[in-house]
Amino acid sequence: GDSVTQTEGQVALSEEDFLTIHCNYSASGYPALFWYVQYPGEGPQFLFRASRDKEKGSSRGFEATYDKGTTSFHLRKASVQESDSAVYYCALGDMSNYNVLYFGSGTKLTVEP
Amino acid sequence: ETAVFQTPNYHVTQVGNEVSFNCKQTLGHDTMYWYKQDSKKLLKIMFSYNNKQLIVNETVPRRFSPQSSDKAHLNLRIKSVEPEDSAVYLCASSPGRNYEQYFGPGTRLTVL
Repeated sequence: GDSVTQTEGQVALSEEDFLTIHCNYSASGYPALFWYVQYPGEGPQFLFRASRDKEKGSSRGFEATYDKGTTSFHLRKASVQESDSAVYYCALGDMSNYNVLYFGSGTKLTVEP
Repeated sequence: ETAVFQTPNYHVTQVGNEVSFNCKQTLGHDTMYWYKQDSKKLLKIMFSYNNKQLIVNETVPRRFSPQSSDKAHLNLRIKSVEPEDSAVYLCASSPGRNYEQYFGPGTRLTVL
């Protein structure tokens, strides 16, 4: 079945550091890929998506590029802020199944001032 | 701006009891979902409803049943709760395929 792997369970950075969170997917079809962010006590919030190979999604300084060759959608930000501290989820949308989302295990980002 | 509403925020109950959670969306979306988030923060799809018809049921136990009166409401009933049902239940909605989902704040269930 379709699945998403996030290798980093936790990431600790200082403000203005560069962020990379790795996301790899496995799917039989051609899925849409998403990044969501979740703050304590809230539901996940949509960050951005990409639907085709080489498409770049971006929002709030975060970005990721759909790479069908390496089946990846890594999240990057050039300079993190303390307010970016949250849990980040990579997700795969099953277009044949009314866009049911299959989430990775999440990466907790902590940014120290 | 909150557009997916869930009640209650929290619920504590005993093993074997029945519980029901409510979800309402004001976005005019056609598809709604229930996800379960466990203590390790893992998110898994449980159900999806499109225009009041169940279109996905991801092998959840039979004690769980979604209920919808119209496309803006999707409730979740658990007939006889068990300890492993302790989790946060998240409701979401989407305008359709290839679009993002909007999540509510969740209902935290604790089963004693």
